[in-house]
Amino acid sequence: ETGVTQSPTHLIKTRGQQVTLRCSSQSGHNTVSWYQQALGQGPQFIFQYYREEENGRGNFPPRFSGLQFPNYSSELNVNALELDDSALYLCAIKVGSLNTDTQYFGPGTRLTVL
Amino acid sequence: AQTVTQSQPEMSVQEAETVTLSCTYDTSENNYYLFWYKQPPSRQMILVIRQEAYKQQNATENRFSVNFQKAAKSFSLKISDSQLGDTAMYFCAFMNTFGNEKLTFGTGTRLTIIP
Repeated sequence: ETGVTQSPTHLIKTRGQQVTLRCSSQSGHNTVSWYQQALGQGPQFIFQYYREEENGRGNFPPRFSGLQFPNYSSELNVNALELDDSALYLCAIKVGSLNTDTQYFGPGTRLTVL
Repeated sequence: AQTVTQSQPEMSVQEAETVTLSCTYDTSENNYYLFWYKQPPSRQMILVIRQEAYKQQNATENRFSVNFQKAAKSFSLKISDSQLGDTAMYFCAFMNTFGNEKLTFGTGTRLTIIP
């Protein structure tokens, strides 16, 4: 087990609403990344936070935003939900320096937008 | 931009047999990391094996090994003595050694181990 947890496990929202997804780890980490995995696809990089600052973003609009907290937890916020936002959202953490070694994933949050 | 291609959407193999999953990638960089991740139906993405591009020796982890062909930009995963617990989606992923630590994934191969 990676010791990375995500909450909630499942979530149903309606179009136009806002959602907050959470990620935490048992061990300390300074890098957290968020990915969106549509059904039947590989994960797509949303953004990464390093020491509480955004450190790169994928091809996602600004209504996708994040926060990283000093207590090894982080959040993904999505505003103005659209039907296409329905997906599995994964966070991944890494301990250590940038660009070294491996990211470890949480179990994901399944978001359904109706 | 980097791309990762997995050309086998689905594969199946008898228990105890050996299976090889294919992955090719495209990059202009000389140094990078490659990974194979496993995603069982429980959906937790689990690291199977990793390879650093500057290392010529192929990585191995117990029953799992890779065939890394840097010039051909190929990174295949071999699973020996396959077990029922190996049934999962397998994703090949690429990561640069500079900039942000974005993982670029392929579309995955669904592997089924038949009893």
